[in-house]
Amino acid sequence: DAKTTQPTSMDCAEGRAANLPCNHSTISGNEYVYWYRQIHSQGPQYIIHGLKNNETNEMASLIITEDRKSSTLILPHATLRDTAVYYCIVRERGYSTLTFGKGTMLLVSP
Amino acid sequence: DAEITQSPRHKITETGRQVTLACHQTWNHNNMFWYRQDLGHGLRLIHYSYGVQDTNKGEVSDGYSVSRSNTEDLPLTLESAASSQTSVYFCASSSGTSKETQYFGPGTRLLVL
Repeated sequence: DAKTTQPTSMDCAEGRAANLPCNHSTISGNEYVYWYRQIHSQGPQYIIHGLKNNETNEMASLIITEDRKSSTLILPHATLRDTAVYYCIVRERGYSTLTFGKGTMLLVSP
Repeated sequence: DAEITQSPRHKITETGRQVTLACHQTWNHNNMFWYRQDLGHGLRLIHYSYGVQDTNKGEVSDGYSVSRSNTEDLPLTLESAASSQTSVYFCASSSGTSKETQYFGPGTRLLVL
């Protein structure tokens, strides 16, 4: 069973913020939320991860709701190169394997 | 810079042949993984290793094998290639620390005729 639910696709205008939602209503206390993306024909790329606090790095921000049942990945100023499939993954602390769902196809347009 | 490489990048083979896909990482990572990606299925885990001499089966391990004789390499072998194994194969590695970021290779496109 999928641990996360994401929209199949989203559109965003270049230069605008892209907000990608993820539902993980069955997340447990020791599970992290990870985000990866996959640009066409390339291997997946790590973006960011968090446990319960909001996180920010040079690529994106991750907002996790207080009840931890959902999160939002924010790309503050989307560019055409951000067009990719974005995967939200829940992973238990101490385990190394990742289970990928089908992700969200983000299309950034001029 | 440290990296993870895969070879070959493209491979065409015939049904029944043995095929080995190479994966080499210079991160000195303990953990290595093999995934396959097919339309409609996303990435699925085939095998993984937590260190030298350690191997574990993933979600779709039937027809595949791996061996880990050193830290840098985790070759994936298709013992007798089948058309259902036509796919894009990705190798990944991670350090095994709590952050557990996986770094992926560029992929190998395999066509089994």
